[in-house]
Amino acid sequence: DGGITQSPKYLFRKEGQNVTLSCEQNLNHDAMYWYRQDPGQGLRLIYYSQIVNDFQKGDIAEGYSVSREKKESFPLTVTSAQKNPTAFYLCASSFGTMRTDTQYFGPGTRLTVL
Amino acid sequence: AQKVTQAQTEISVVEKEDVTLDCVYETRDTTYYLFWYKQPPSGELVFLIRRNSFDEQNEISGRYSWNFQKSTSSFNFTITASQVVDSAVYFCALDTYSGAGSYQLTFGKGTKLSVIP
Repeated sequence: DGGITQSPKYLFRKEGQNVTLSCEQNLNHDAMYWYRQDPGQGLRLIYYSQIVNDFQKGDIAEGYSVSREKKESFPLTVTSAQKNPTAFYLCASSFGTMRTDTQYFGPGTRLTVL
Repeated sequence: AQKVTQAQTEISVVEKEDVTLDCVYETRDTTYYLFWYKQPPSGELVFLIRRNSFDEQNEISGRYSWNFQKSTSSFNFTITASQVVDSAVYFCALDTYSGAGSYQLTFGKGTKLSVIP
């Protein structure tokens, strides 16, 4: 089945540690995205990538880093510089970044920093 | 600036009632796309509909219908004869130009719908 997988579903880390969230897609999509969702809030864009080896900052990129070495994979690292990392993280992908390209989402990773 | 407002934070209805979720948007673009997504308790966002600004016809898909009114910058979503499985958070989104020919989504804060059996 084609789709987007994110792992793990729940992640606990100690304050000050970097943590990497996984996102894989087998939809043959060129574009991939990372969003952050806080309780009662909409989704905010962290980073996006239009193509392999290229990525752009979104609205709240500070304290995060990404890589795009393969078309299928777009991991997100939450660094110790992120002041409030506890949140629900959603990965998405689309064929491209044209306005007609619908984004499809993975199941999300809930990160809790203790 | 692009903005999406979902004024209803939470709504509760009894099963089989109809319910309308409001979405009001702001954009300077003359051409744009609007979206609705559903987020069930499992967390994954499920795409429901994409509508372009040229097409003001209402759309119906089963129990779901969408009313797009350009004059009032609204794209409201109605669920007819609601069911418990409709309980979720619903997000409205607007496409936003982010440079170099690419577009991103600006999301509203969502409306949590609870359907009570």
